[in-house]
Amino acid sequence: DQQVKQNSPSLSVQEGRISILNCDYTNSMFDYFLWYKKYPAEGPTFLISISSIKDKNEDGRFTVFLNKSAKHLSLHIVPSQPGDSAVYFCAASADSNYKLTFGKGTLLTVNP
Amino acid sequence: GAGVSQSPSNKVTEKGKDVELRCDPISGHTALYWYRQRLGQGLEFLIYFQGNSAPDKSGLPSDRFSAERTGESVSTLTIQRTQQEDSAVYLCASSPSNVQYFGPGTRLTVL
Repeated sequence: DQQVKQNSPSLSVQEGRISILNCDYTNSMFDYFLWYKKYPAEGPTFLISISSIKDKNEDGRFTVFLNKSAKHLSLHIVPSQPGDSAVYFCAASADSNYKLTFGKGTLLTVNP
Repeated sequence: GAGVSQSPSNKVTEKGKDVELRCDPISGHTALYWYRQRLGQGLEFLIYFQGNSAPDKSGLPSDRFSAERTGESVSTLTIQRTQQEDSAVYLCASSPSNVQYFGPGTRLTVL
């Protein structure tokens, strides 16, 4: 039973436009959420996180939105750049950073 | 500074053999995690070490899997009598607090 779901396996966006990556979760005990980016043959790299006490966190071109009532979070990248092309994983934990539960990832392709 | 390193980067083994995977965490990181990523899947938690506390082994899929960590340094993940379903990328991460920093992974192929 998947507790963190990324229902879109892939997303293609034009350079300069907004990329929106979605993530849904089922475990109401999750209180900390993270997005990781992964290039081929490399380990995931931390992008941005959000605590359940917030509904938005912004870092440069990256913004994460959290809707607790819907158990949904999204990552917005604007403007998208070709270098953003990678697999993006949503992750959640019930105790800050401990034992992350990951989604299956979404492959983002940003076309020049 | 140096990130998390893992060795070997690739390992091909025959079914039934034992393998040992190594992780060198970032110096000073008290927490260390092992994950597994099978093809087309997300990362699957295996085991967690925090300082001198007893490790959380709840993610280990069978008793063929074990891991050790010496203090707050190197960790080894051992898989005994490997099976084809053990084929995956094994990722190690270390953490000082809120963010986990991942190594590049070891790709294990069991023939």
